[in-house]
Amino acid sequence: GENVEQHPSTLSVQEGDSAVIKCTYSDSASNYFPWYKQELGKRPQLIIDIRSNVGEKKDQRIAVTLNKTAKHFSLHITETQPEDSAVYFCAASKRGDDKIIFGKGTRLHILP
Amino acid sequence: EPEVTQTPSHQVTQMGQEVILRCVPISNHLYFYWYRQILGQKVEFLVSFYNNEISEKSEIFDDQFSVERPDGSNFTLKIRSTKLEDSAMYFCASSAGGAGLRGYTFGSGTRLTVV
Repeated sequence: GENVEQHPSTLSVQEGDSAVIKCTYSDSASNYFPWYKQELGKRPQLIIDIRSNVGEKKDQRIAVTLNKTAKHFSLHITETQPEDSAVYFCAASKRGDDKIIFGKGTRLHILP
Repeated sequence: EPEVTQTPSHQVTQMGQEVILRCVPISNHLYFYWYRQILGQKVEFLVSFYNNEISEKSEIFDDQFSVERPDGSNFTLKIRSTKLEDSAMYFCASSAGGAGLRGYTFGSGTRLTVV
């Protein structure tokens, strides 16, 4: 089955700098890649997603890139702010499967 | 904004006891899911449910687990004989068009503690 690897497990960046979180997936049939943000003690919330027919998607300070050949996808957060501190999960799903497989998460700390 | 509602928020149970976790998905959603998250770890898929039947389940979802949609609004997860390792946060989720179409909306979770 699908396996999603995510790194780093922890990331600290200065406020205002950019943060990049990287994921790889194993199943070349995967075609949907959502990213979730989970604040301490709260539910995961979808922040952005990308499909395999698109190489990049941007929403304000957040962007996601996808390299289907290498089976890599990444989350980029620019101009980081204190409220960006959270755990971020990448995930993958494929057509015909009714589930999303999550990576292990990246704990992002925004330093003042 | 529509929400997925879960009750209770926290449940403590003795090992070997049965528990039922309850969820009210978003009203026009047709696909329902349970995930669990052991403290500090990743979110793990348990089961998906569509058209009144299980569409997929993981190896975690063994005979001790069952799901039911007893009426038009509730979606429940039952654990028949809880084990210590069942202690986790359990998230219900729902989707309008399936996992790969629009992603999920998660509920706020039920923290299950087995003692």
